[in-house]
Amino acid sequence: QVQLLQSGAEVKEPGASVKVSCKASGYTFTDYFLHWVRQAPGQGLEWMGIINSIGGSTSYARKFQGRVTMTRDTSTNTVHMVLSSLRSEDTAVYYCARGFDTSSMPLLAYWGQGTLVTVSS
Amino acid sequence: DIQMTQSPSTLSASIGDRVIITCRASQSIGNWLAWYQQKPGKAPKLLIYKASSLESGVPSRFRGRGSGTEFTLTISSLQPDDFATYYCQHYNLYSTFGQGTKVDI
Repeated sequence: QVQLLQSGAEVKEPGASVKVSCKASGYTFTDYFLHWVRQAPGQGLEWMGIINSIGGSTSYARKFQGRVTMTRDTSTNTVHMVLSSLRSEDTAVYYCARGFDTSSMPLLAYWGQGTLVTVSS
Repeated sequence: DIQMTQSPSTLSASIGDRVIITCRASQSIGNWLAWYQQKPGKAPKLLIYKASSLESGVPSRFRGRGSGTEFTLTISSLQPDDFATYYCQHYNLYSTFGQGTKVDI
């Protein structure tokens, strides 16, 4: 069965960077795109971007361009998301999610368990 | 950017009620519309895609309709497991979610 296992909670100071990882299993890693979505406490869902697992190309939501970097490691079936220049408004649960099919459309059928990132001095 | 607006923000209902949630897009999105259910502390779960297609394993009491700019999610007979927050999502090259509708007692 498809599983996405994310790294643990992080606490960071303003201005720092955070790296969240997502290890995929139960399917052919390079067949599917992976996405990142975040959710601030008590708030809605916000799509951050997408990474092509086979070639590593990325596309980011305009809001995060310049601050987010998504990479993948095909040897470990893992994707990483680095968010830099953190501010308090970046406090959120960050999810990785796999597409419903092999297209790049952000229709999200499988989700990781979420990683809480807290930005606080 | 396309904006997605859900109504209502909160909905109080009882077991057995018919519940309707509306989602409006700021411009036509065809049928590139999905619905998700989220329970506290959990990841969202895909319910409906392409506006009206039921994801595998989702009960048939959930129904999605609409196209263009106006969409609805109907729960025909609310069950205890359905108390949750529901999000619509426009998905194409990019993605935008609605702000959510909390269904509670």
